Amino acid sequence: AQTVTQSQPEMSVQEAETVTLSCTYDTSESDYYLFWYKQPPSRQMILVIRQEAYKQQNATENRFSVNFQKAAKSFSLKISDSQLGDAAMYFCAYIRGAQKLVFGQGTRLTINP
Amino acid sequence: GAVVSQHPSWVICKSGTSVKIECRSLDFQATTMFWYRQFPKQSLMLMATSNEGSKATYEQGVEKDKFLINHASLTLSTLTVTSAHPEDSSFYICSAKRAGGPYEQYFGPGTRLTVT
Repeated sequence: AQTVTQSQPEMSVQEAETVTLSCTYDTSESDYYLFWYKQPPSRQMILVIRQEAYKQQNATENRFSVNFQKAAKSFSLKISDSQLGDAAMYFCAYIRGAQKLVFGQGTRLTINP
Repeated sequence: GAVVSQHPSWVICKSGTSVKIECRSLDFQATTMFWYRQFPKQSLMLMATSNEGSKATYEQGVEKDKFLINHASLTLSTLTVTSAHPEDSSFYICSAKRAGGPYEQYFGPGTRLTVT
């Protein structure tokens, strides 16, 4: 079965600095999708960024970018110029086709002003 | 686009009663909806997958007689917690997959259930 592992339960960063959240996954498939979701205190799940496994280019969304290493099964999220509004739980997730989303354990990110 | 709503956002009920939570896709048709449960400071745990017009598929360990799921239309799925007990208190989140869409799920804002 596919698994997603986030080894950092908590991270903190100074406002305006850069932080990287780690995620590794286990799959024998070659075609799949990876996501980073943000869950702020409101608990609404918000899609931050997605990556298609067949694309070699790393996805970027404004201040958010990923480092996708397919062979290493690694999918880290980099947040640049951290803002107070970035404070949240971040979940890495994997899906293949019509199967269910598999979530990591989450990383709680704190932004220090 | 792709907005999912849940109602109610917060419900308190007495032990032994049943409570229904609605999940609606507001601006798209959802052939598949998912129900998750989330304990404090933990990840989302998939409870069941519901497809419009058919029986829900429950994850291992989830009591299908306690958590009744109905997906009667392409925009509405309901989760009924029957004979609720304090241990059923949790945060319940639904998500919906767009009809014809490949993979992406859109999440509702969640429902906090407190059983007293």
